Amino acid sequence: DAGVIQSPRHEVTEMGQEVTLRCKPISGHNSLFWYRQTMMRGLELLIYFNNNVPIDDSGMPEDRFSAKMPNASFSTLKIQPSEPRDSAVYFCASSFPSGGAASTDTQYFGPGTRLTVL
Amino acid sequence: SQQGEEDPQALSIQEGENATMNCSYKTSINNLQWYRQNSGRGLVHLILIRSNEREKHSGRLRVTLDTSKKSSSLLITASRAADTASYFCATVLIYNFNKFYFGSGTKLNVKP
Repeated sequence: DAGVIQSPRHEVTEMGQEVTLRCKPISGHNSLFWYRQTMMRGLELLIYFNNNVPIDDSGMPEDRFSAKMPNASFSTLKIQPSEPRDSAVYFCASSFPSGGAASTDTQYFGPGTRLTVL
Repeated sequence: SQQGEEDPQALSIQEGENATMNCSYKTSINNLQWYRQNSGRGLVHLILIRSNEREKHSGRLRVTLDTSKKSSSLLITASRAADTASYFCATVLIYNFNKFYFGSGTKLNVKP
């Protein structure tokens, strides 16, 4: 299995530009998560999807951020317009419930996209 | 915040020594997980311990959980230079299995 795939790996853009980050989860996984990691704030959950439906977007910083999951194998995180404070590493993770209402599962992380907004 | 807090923030040891890092949290959990992050990479799951378990082993890793103190520890025995990484605990709450709360991490440096 190729694992969680993210693209691009690095993105440098100028303030005000639109940025789109992409994620392909592990095949068969039905939960997908977007995280942001910075030195100041650590690892923050932005949004997560179950079966392509957004469940909790309370971590999305503001309206400039949006995420979609049009099908089970693809998700995007868009920032429009981007600002320097959005500079961070953005991770996508996926998981598959191990079965049963009381069970949980681990998350598999992609390699991340390092975003720099100038 | 439910977010776990690791202690210490940084740890430097010699190869062959044991490394212990701790995690404290605030509310009741379903399970607690430890992840490793090598520089420039994503997080990798190491071990999961459920709320009804007290200790778990996986290779050179030993995890303990004390729910009365709301704390966990990760012990890496006979450390190797390849263990150099940041280690994070993640707490999973009883009522929301999908929402992981990650701590700020312990940066471990193992000197050869």
